[in-house]
Amino acid sequence: NAGVTQTPKFRILKIGQSMTLQCTQDMNHNYMYWYRQDPGMGLKLIYYSVGAGITDKGEVPNGYNVSRSTTEDFPLRLELAAPSQTSVYFCASRQGYGYTFGSGTRLTVV
Amino acid sequence: QKEVEQNSGPLSVPEGAIASLNCTYSDRGSQSFFWYRQYSGKSPELIMFIYSNGDKEDGRFTAQLNKASQYVSLLIRDSQPSDSATYLCAVNGEDSSYKLIFGSGTRLLVRP
Repeated sequence: NAGVTQTPKFRILKIGQSMTLQCTQDMNHNYMYWYRQDPGMGLKLIYYSVGAGITDKGEVPNGYNVSRSTTEDFPLRLELAAPSQTSVYFCASRQGYGYTFGSGTRLTVV
Repeated sequence: QKEVEQNSGPLSVPEGAIASLNCTYSDRGSQSFFWYRQYSGKSPELIMFIYSNGDKEDGRFTAQLNKASQYVSLLIRDSQPSDSATYLCAVNGEDSSYKLIFGSGTRLLVRP
C-alpha cells in the first residue's frame, strides 16, 4: 500500500514547454485533488475530481488541465509553462475526514 | 471568496511550554476543520480534525472550535523541538466535493 505517489519529484522546465505531473493512489479513493504551494504560502486548489470521468476547477485552474480516466490516476497537465507556475505541486486523495498527500513535485520554470 | 486566515509567525515558545495557534475563517457554512503539520520540504500531514463546537483532545494536541466566532485553534502542550514546523489550518465547506481551503500557515519554533 504505497498511498499517493507523485512523479517526478523535481523538474526544471523552460518557458513554453509542456509537461504532465503524474499522481497515482492505490487506496481506491474517489476524491482526488491537485494543489500548488508557493513559498511561504498555503495550498491553493487547482483542480479536483470526485470520481473517474468527473473533474472540476478549483481556485487557480488557469494554465492547467486534468483528466481522470481511472480511479487510480489523476495527472495534471501544464501547457505553455510560465515562470508564474514555479511552485511545489501536491496531489492528495480524500481519506475519511482528511487528505492523504503525495510527497510533491517541485517545479521550476526558467 | 472563502478565506482562512492565520498569523504567519514565527511563533517562538520554549521547550515544555504550551503553543497556541489560531485560525479564523470567513464561510459560516464551513463544516469541518483541520490542522496539518508541514515540515520544511515535506508534504502536509494531518494532526487533528474537529467538526463540533468545543474542544477535542488527542495526546498533546487540543483543537478548539467556536463556530459563532468563526474561530478554530490548536494547542500543543509540552512543546518539543520536534514540533517546530509550519501548521496549516484548513476548512471544508458545505458542498459534496470535500474541497479544503487552506490558510497560509503559522511557523512554530520551539526553543530547546
